[in-house]
Amino acid sequence: QSVLTQSPSASGTPGQRVTISCSGSSSSIGSSSVNWYQHLPGTAPKLLIYSNYQRPPGVPDRFSGSKSGTSASLAISGLQSEDEADYYCAAWDDSLHGWVFGGGTKLTVL
Amino acid sequence: QVQLVQSGAEVKKPGASVKVSCKASGYTFTSYGFNWVRQAPGQGLEWMGWISAYNGNTNYTQKFQDRVIMTTDTSTSTAYMELRSLRSDDTAVYYCARGGDRPHTLFGLFWGQGTPVTVSA
Repeated sequence: QSVLTQSPSASGTPGQRVTISCSGSSSSIGSSSVNWYQHLPGTAPKLLIYSNYQRPPGVPDRFSGSKSGTSASLAISGLQSEDEADYYCAAWDDSLHGWVFGGGTKLTVL
Repeated sequence: QVQLVQSGAEVKKPGASVKVSCKASGYTFTSYGFNWVRQAPGQGLEWMGWISAYNGNTNYTQKFQDRVIMTTDTSTSTAYMELRSLRSDDTAVYYCARGGDRPHTLFGLFWGQGTPVTVSA
C-alpha cells in the first residue's frame, strides 16, 4: 500500500483536460513539495513537474501542477494520444525519512 | 550530455545477491547523489534509497535497510546497488536516478535505462 494515494485510472478524449490527484499526509505532502513523473512501459520514468508546479526544460506547458495542504494535482490540457502513460506523484516524507510515491494513475486516451 | 548507463539483465536464485551498476558521464560525478527506484511487475514505483557520490553517505528506506548496500566508485564514476537475500518478490526493474547532495533533494531529471532482475528457482 502506497503512502501517497492516487486514483488507479483516469481517461479522456483528445483535446480534453484531465486532472490526476494525489493525497498524502502532514509529514509528506503537507511538509514537502511534490514531484510528478510520467512512466511509459519499457522506458525510464520522466520528471514532469517538480516543486509542486515547476516544469523541467522540454516539458510542454500543457502539463501543470498544484498543491494545497496535503493534496496535489497534475493537470493535462489539450490531451494527446502520446500522453497515455502511468503518472506518479512523489514527495519526501519527514516521518519515514525517505521518498514516497503514489500508487500511480494509468491515463488512457480514448 | 548527462548519461546514466546501467548494467544488463540478471537472473538470480532465491537467497542470492545481485549488484546493479550505474555508470555516469557528462557531469562532475561527486557533485550529485544517486537514488535507486524499482518497479515490480504490475506494481508502482518504489524508492529504495540514496547515496552521496561525494562522501558515500547513504539513506535507505526501512524496508530494505537490512538487505541493500549502495556504493559509489569515483574512479569510474559508477554507482552500485547490491541487494542480498533475494526473494521472488524482488523481481523488478531497478533504476538509478541522479539525485542531489542530500537524500531529500529533488531527483529524476536523469535516469538510467533500467536493469531487469528476475529471481527464480
